[in-house]
Amino acid sequence: GQNIDQPTEMTATEGAIVQINCTYQTSGFNGLFWYQQHAGEAPTFLSYNVLDGLEEKGRFSSFLSRSKGYSYLLLKELQMKDSASYLCAAMDSNYQLIWGAGTKLIIKP
Amino acid sequence: DGGITQSPKYLFRKEGQNVTLSCEQNLNHDAMYWYRQDPGQGLRLIYYSQIVNDFQKGDIAEGYSVSREKKESFPLTVTSAQKNPTAFYLCASTEGQGWETQYFGPGTRLLVL
Repeated sequence: GQNIDQPTEMTATEGAIVQINCTYQTSGFNGLFWYQQHAGEAPTFLSYNVLDGLEEKGRFSSFLSRSKGYSYLLLKELQMKDSASYLCAAMDSNYQLIWGAGTKLIIKP
Repeated sequence: DGGITQSPKYLFRKEGQNVTLSCEQNLNHDAMYWYRQDPGQGLRLIYYSQIVNDFQKGDIAEGYSVSREKKESFPLTVTSAQKNPTAFYLCASTEGQGWETQYFGPGTRLLVL
């Protein structure tokens, strides 16, 4: 079956760095997406990786290892507004997204 | 401003009633999607449409119906056959026919009275 695993909840301190991990098992693979979702709002796109390696975009970076079925989202210089859920989604061979349940990130002052 | 709109923001359904959720986009995107989001679960695909007048069932289509008569509109009807409709419903679209980044509307929260 197809599956995405990510931690349910994480806590970090304002100004610090946090890494949110995601492992996936899909039938075929056409890339890995990360979205941010504030409570009661729509998910917003953060990053897309299809090749191995690190993609940096400002304070946020995303890493992919296809051989390990593993990705992480790295958030630096955490701000209170980064408190949100972070959704990992892998695209399978049919170009359908398989979604994780999301990681709720709590930022403390 | 281009974007995806969903209405209403909150919707209440009585037992045995059909309700329709609206999704409109002015991005000229080809494909549109409906997802359901429940606490502690990933988004689950209900229906999707890659072209006008055509749509496919997703993983949890039972109790739902859709239409795609216009490129910009993809309404979702929650029928009385859907026994557990309380959820957050999200509409999304992609520029092409599915392999690109999905962009989401603000969502509709459906509650059963």
